[in-house]
This record gives sequence, structure tokens and C-alpha cells, in this order.
Amino acid sequence: SAVISQKPSRDICQRGTSLTIQCQVDSQVTMMFWYRQQPGQSLTLIATANQGSEATYESGFVIDKFPISRPNLTFSTLTVSNMSPEDSSIYLCSVWDRGMYEQYFGPGTRLTVT
Amino acid sequence: SQQGEEDPQALSIQEGENATMNCSYKTSINNLQWYRQNSGRGLVHLILIRSNEREKHSGRLRVTLDTSKKSSSLLITASRAADTASYFCATGRFGGTSGSARQLTFGSGTQLTVLP
Repeated sequence: SAVISQKPSRDICQRGTSLTIQCQVDSQVTMMFWYRQQPGQSLTLIATANQGSEATYESGFVIDKFPISRPNLTFSTLTVSNMSPEDSSIYLCSVWDRGMYEQYFGPGTRLTVT
Repeated sequence: SQQGEEDPQALSIQEGENATMNCSYKTSINNLQWYRQNSGRGLVHLILIRSNEREKHSGRLRVTLDTSKKSSSLLITASRAADTASYFCATGRFGGTSGSARQLTFGSGTQLTVLP
């Protein structure tokens, strides 16, 4: 199993600013993912965070808007840049490794942009 | 419609009744998983069914998978007020590396309310 923590748990930010969300796992994992859940909606994959190389982004998401770091096998950050109210969402970190039966999700970061 | 559509969007039942939620998907899959989310919090994994399985049980949960119809159902028996949550199906992509198979595509979700 994997225990995932995210910081901050929630934040209210001004339009035009940036917020960096941290994801910490209690064990080394091969795969780390970032998802977005807009209000009342389902989850959408933003990108796969790759250790030692650039993240792999899904269609509709770009590095300039959502830069991601993955300095080691237990930690990743997602930055939401130049925020607008449309970025108000819950952002969830997820992990998986060989030997894990399931994919584990963090508690999420609830972001409100005013 | 998107990969992983679920119905109904909302379901309200009395405690003790059974709840059935359905999920349809479009592309080939390695597996299909069901998750629960309480009040906009993190997701809790409920059950995974592989593409070569037809039915799976876990406690009060029963999941079926029909790959010919590209559909799955989640049955919660003898529901409890604590089962009130949003339920999502998620499909793992077919092919690619084992890691890419873990990039999940989520359904739209069913909001289940169990009334005491």
C-alpha cells in the first residue's frame, strides 16, 4: 500500500498568481500522476510525472500552465500558473508501482481562484 | 459521449435497499476499477475487475463486466447511510507499458444517497 499526503489541503488564491501543490508518498513508486476534478465533475488526468525527465501531458494540458517536478521517487509538485477562476478544482496526486494491486490517491488539494 | 459514462447520475435509496450503478466505456481496456469519493475528498479504491473476468465480489460489493457490451455494473447490497458518496468507474488503457495502463480514465460518476 501507499500513504499519500498533499499540501496544501486547500487554498484560496487571487487571479493571476501561481500555486504549487506538493505530493509526498511514504514509499518509492514508479508512477505518479496528477488529476484535476472540476466542481461537480469527474477526474481528468493532467499528466504523468516522470522522475528525472519532463512530465508527459495529456491533451489540453501544457507545461507552461501546469509545470510539474519529480525530483525523486517519493515526491512531486504541480504548479498551477497564472490562475483564473476556471482553475478552481480539486487537484489529486495518484501513485502506482509494480506489485500494487490498485492505484492510490492522495486526499486532494481544493483550490479556489477569486 | 466520453469514455466511462455512468448512470444514473444520481441515485437515492433507503437504507437496507440495494444500489446498482452502471458504467459504459468505448475503447479496449486492461481492467475496470470502481472508486468511492466522499464529499469531494480523495478517492478510495473499491474493486478491480480484469478484462478476462466477468464477475467479482468483495463484501457487499458485486461488480460485473461485459466486454462485448463495453459495460460494467456495481451493486451495493444492504446499503447503509455510510455508503452515501460519489462512485466512479475508471478504465485502464489497453496496450503500452504497464505504467501507461495505469493512466485511468474516469466516468462521470454516480452520486448515491442512502437515506436512514
